[in-house]
Amino acid sequence: ETGVTQTPRHLVMGMTNKKSLKCEQHLGHNAMYWYKQSAKKPLELMFVYSLEERVENNSVPSRFSPECPNSSHLFLHLHTLQPEDSALYLCASSQTGTGDTDTQYFGPGTRLTVL
Amino acid sequence: QKEVEQNSGPLSVPEGAIASLNCTYSDRGSQSFFWYRQYSGKSPELIMFIYSNGDKEDGRFTAQLNKASQYVSLLIRDSQPSDSATYLCAAISSGGSYIPTFGRGTSLIVHP
Repeated sequence: ETGVTQTPRHLVMGMTNKKSLKCEQHLGHNAMYWYKQSAKKPLELMFVYSLEERVENNSVPSRFSPECPNSSHLFLHLHTLQPEDSALYLCASSQTGTGDTDTQYFGPGTRLTVL
Repeated sequence: QKEVEQNSGPLSVPEGAIASLNCTYSDRGSQSFFWYRQYSGKSPELIMFIYSNGDKEDGRFTAQLNKASQYVSLLIRDSQPSDSATYLCAAISSGGSYIPTFGRGTSLIVHP
């Protein structure tokens, strides 16, 4: 596997379900990100982890819970979601520094539908 | 609040023309700028980055940065239908930050 992978690619869940999104990066990067992308809206940064420590949490509801067990893996645990949480969830990684090393490498995303 | 502004479009150009995509940013301390391309239903992928004033060329793509005017642009020469996508502009501030601020993207349509 190369780059950034995400599973599952599609997820349909009810509002009472609990599910988890998984992201894995094979690039040796030290920072990982979760973004939400809704139709007709810009990318919304949700969480940032650097060296496995959470450094940013953009006022995300507690029904979204991130976990970063090591620098290669990132999870987003979901519970009691709302229909408005339906969106494309993108994981990204980067090697922190300056200039081009701050390039974000995105995974293919998980298309989430909450019924 | 750091903001990156883009016209959502769509910008429609004929095949073979030059497509000009524009982006302005509010944080004067921004130092690195990125253009990403996102096809419908896919994830963003990097096209170019720029951090010095002036032009940077890569094949059919030219990024232009004017820090005094807080303005970044992307020119696509000889536009092809395969260039039809949403183009996202992103900026990173100086001072050790590595977290980008994204614009909402400009939709480009290249028609044959």
